[in-house]
Amino acid sequence: DQQVKQNSPSLSVQEGRISILNCDYTNSMFDYFLWYKKYPAEGPTFLISISSIKDKNEDGRFTVFLNKSAKHLSLHIVPSQPGDSAVYFCAASGSLNYGGSQGNLIFGKGTKLSVKP
Amino acid sequence: DSGVTQTPKHLITATGQRVTLRCSPRSGDLSVYWYQQSLDQGLQFLIQYYNGEERAKGNILERFSAQQFPDLHSELNLSSLELGDSALYFCASSREYDGSSGNTIYFGEGSWLTVV
Repeated sequence: DQQVKQNSPSLSVQEGRISILNCDYTNSMFDYFLWYKKYPAEGPTFLISISSIKDKNEDGRFTVFLNKSAKHLSLHIVPSQPGDSAVYFCAASGSLNYGGSQGNLIFGKGTKLSVKP
Repeated sequence: DSGVTQTPKHLITATGQRVTLRCSPRSGDLSVYWYQQSLDQGLQFLIQYYNGEERAKGNILERFSAQQFPDLHSELNLSSLELGDSALYFCASSREYDGSSGNTIYFGEGSWLTVV
């Protein structure tokens, strides 16, 4: 039972264009969402996050949008660069039923982004 | 560099054996998490410790155990290893436990375990 779903295993985008990575979740108790970027043979690197009290958070070329009613979030990268080519993981956490710990993130299976020059 | 250190980086061992993976969290972080990434399963949460105590358990097998020591480093023990345990094991750490928004966790580079 996947609580966080990234339905597109891969995405290919031309350099300079927008990359949009999507993520859906099922657990309404999730209240904090993160995106991680992962290069091969490296650990996931934190990219950007959003709390459920917001619907948008921007950091440079990266913007995360949250639609709570649809239980959907997306990561926009504008403009896309070849160095953005990596696997992007969506993750969620919340005050679940084990002492309110937000740490144990639930991850999607990732979307492999390829940005072509 | 996330500040989370994992050793060893690579490990090859035979079925039935036992291994220990080690993790040093970022300075000041009290929470340590272990994740497993295998080819077809993505990142699976295994277990979390906070200041030496177990806080949350995920999909951790009974053959696996972990602990966090007084100096906050953590070890993940994997025993009676099977071929299917071959995976990349990540340790991560964070500061907060209490569920306040913004509890970002930071990952180490992982330990590659190959069981032959």
